[in-house]
Amino acid sequence: GAGVSQSPSNKVTEKGKDVELRCDPISGHTALYWYRQSLGQGLEFLIYFQGNSAPDKSGLPSDRFSAERTGGSVSTLTIQRTQQEDSAVYLCASSIPLAGGQVNEQFFGPGTRLTVL
Amino acid sequence: AQTVTQSQPEMSVQEAETVTLSCTYDTSESDYYLFWYKQPPSRQMILVIRQEAYKQQNATENRFSVNFQKAAKSFSLKISDSQLGDAAMYFCAKGGSQGNLIFGKGTKLSVKP
Repeated sequence: GAGVSQSPSNKVTEKGKDVELRCDPISGHTALYWYRQSLGQGLEFLIYFQGNSAPDKSGLPSDRFSAERTGGSVSTLTIQRTQQEDSAVYLCASSIPLAGGQVNEQFFGPGTRLTVL
Repeated sequence: AQTVTQSQPEMSVQEAETVTLSCTYDTSESDYYLFWYKQPPSRQMILVIRQEAYKQQNATENRFSVNFQKAAKSFSLKISDSQLGDAAMYFCAKGGSQGNLIFGKGTKLSVKP
């Protein structure tokens, strides 16, 4: 497909378990982003990958959250020891950054709805 | 910290009428991009329109247009000839200094037949 894909679409887990969320960006997009959308809220930035540079992890809410991007393509967001407050929709986006570092249009995946019981 | 504010949690419009969604933001930058995204119940975020801050001309995309007031840091979205398919959450966003987008909390738009 031509768009950003995410899996799973929905994930239900028990408190304390680890979860992995996957994102496949659009081919050729060097920038990849993870956002969290809690019920009735806007999108909260989590982490940003650009090419082979070290990721910007400044938005990660705690050290239970981590992400990696293999081969400059697929990314995995891992949440360890999940808590009920982690319940949210996790959205992935990709883009081609503009010259000068300006933020370009981001293309979003359909998201993963995480429910922690 | 940069912020984006959408002061209307919910709006309603009659089919075929025009509605304007408000957005203000805070920044010390002179060059940046602003965006309006639409999120229907399917959760898929879709770009509606984009505005470059150094361009004085307001962006338009078919029935969607913006009123960009740089000095006032205002970026409203006008939807003309509203259609039932326009019903969704609308998010205003600004390009952040970290390379991410900074989003407002959204406006839920309902379209009445």
